[in-house]
Amino acid sequence: GAGVSQSPRYKVAKRGQDVALRCDPISGHVSLFWYQQALGQGPEFLTYFQNEAQLDKSGLPSDRFFAERPEGSVSTLKIQRTQQEDSAVYLCASSLAPGGAVDEQFFGPGTRLTVL
Amino acid sequence: AQSVTQLGSHVSVSEGALVLLRCNYSSSVPPYLFWYVQYPNQGLQLLLKYTSAATLVKGINGFEAEFKKSETSFHLTKPSAHMSDAAEYFCAVSSPNQAGTALIFGKGTTLSVSS
Repeated sequence: GAGVSQSPRYKVAKRGQDVALRCDPISGHVSLFWYQQALGQGPEFLTYFQNEAQLDKSGLPSDRFFAERPEGSVSTLKIQRTQQEDSAVYLCASSLAPGGAVDEQFFGPGTRLTVL
Repeated sequence: AQSVTQLGSHVSVSEGALVLLRCNYSSSVPPYLFWYVQYPNQGLQLLLKYTSAATLVKGINGFEAEFKKSETSFHLTKPSAHMSDAAEYFCAVSSPNQAGTALIFGKGTTLSVSS
């Protein structure tokens, strides 16, 4: 497909379980962002990759959150020992150029995580 | 620090009426400003963006927004609402001087359109 894809679309986890969320950006896009969108809120920045380098992880809420993009394309967001407050929609976005501040960020449909 | 405030979490209009969604920003440097739309179970789609060129920006689906520095505003308008415009709308700001700067979003405004 031509757009950003994310999988799974829905994930239900029991509190304490580990989860892994996948993002397939648009081919050739250098920049990749992860955002967290709580119910009724706007998306909030989690982390940013330029190719395989994680240049900004200031938005990750705790050390239970970990993201990687080992080959500069697909990215995985991992949440260890999930808590109920982790329930949210996790959005991935990619943009063509480094930086991404000016270039349009193309968003995936998100993964809705529910922690019971 | 940059921030965005969207006034009104919910706006209701009749089909054919003017749409006005309000956004005010706070930024210590000239900002880049964006409006995104989100339909249910879909990702955010860019409507338009301001990047220090023309202050009146035209976007897709008949939407436009005007950057007013004196009012620190970037309100979104559409002359005539369609039923298909019903969605969640997000205003966002980013800094133009930092590589890898993410978007900072407002809390969103839900637009309802009645026939």
